[in-house]
Amino acid sequence: AQKITQTQPGMFVQEKEAVTLDCTYDTSDPSYGLFWYKQPSSGEMIFLIYQGSYDQQNATEGRYSLNFQKARKSANLVISASQLGDSAMYFCAMRDISGSARQLTFGSGTQLTVLP
Amino acid sequence: DAGITQSPRHKVTETGTPVTLRCHQTENHRYMYWYRQDPGHGLRLIHYSYGVKDTDKGEVSDGYSVSRSKTEDFLLTLESATSSQTSVYFCAISESDYTEETQYFGPGTRLLVL
Repeated sequence: AQKITQTQPGMFVQEKEAVTLDCTYDTSDPSYGLFWYKQPSSGEMIFLIYQGSYDQQNATEGRYSLNFQKARKSANLVISASQLGDSAMYFCAMRDISGSARQLTFGSGTQLTVLP
Repeated sequence: DAGITQSPRHKVTETGTPVTLRCHQTENHRYMYWYRQDPGHGLRLIHYSYGVKDTDKGEVSDGYSVSRSKTEDFLLTLESATSSQTSVYFCAISESDYTEETQYFGPGTRLLVL
């Protein structure tokens, strides 16, 4: 079964608007971490934001916030005030106890395009 | 930025030849990982290391071997490259295996097997 599901292969957003990228996850472990990475066209993987399963508050990092709904097993990334430089592939990933050395399990990604 | 380099950054090779990719870190992190990225699959773990000479398999380890003789270096070897191993390979590091620990990635190596 898919542990991380990203149902939006591609998304478009107008510059300066907010956008939400969806991510649902599946784990039976009580302790896990959820991560979002950005991969621009240049190819590197850039860490954006982290949410722990025991965190009471949603994580925020500048223009990035994570809408964490534990009961629904969702961890959506919200980007506020989109910029042209936000155009990239975005990956949701999870690290739980069951994986090898707590490996990261990735979703298939969402390609975000910011329109001028 | 985490100090992670990968070499080579690009490589073209022929089926049946051995290939070694190198990951070098300057962070002194204990854990190192090799992932491959293919369209539609995100990143998948090949092998990982939890210390010098300590390595183990990931979910897509067939056809790959690894070695770690120094904390800072983690080598991935394709013993006899096949076209199905054409991919982008990423090295990652983390300080621990705690679920909250972030993994930081190197710049990637694009490998084409003809």
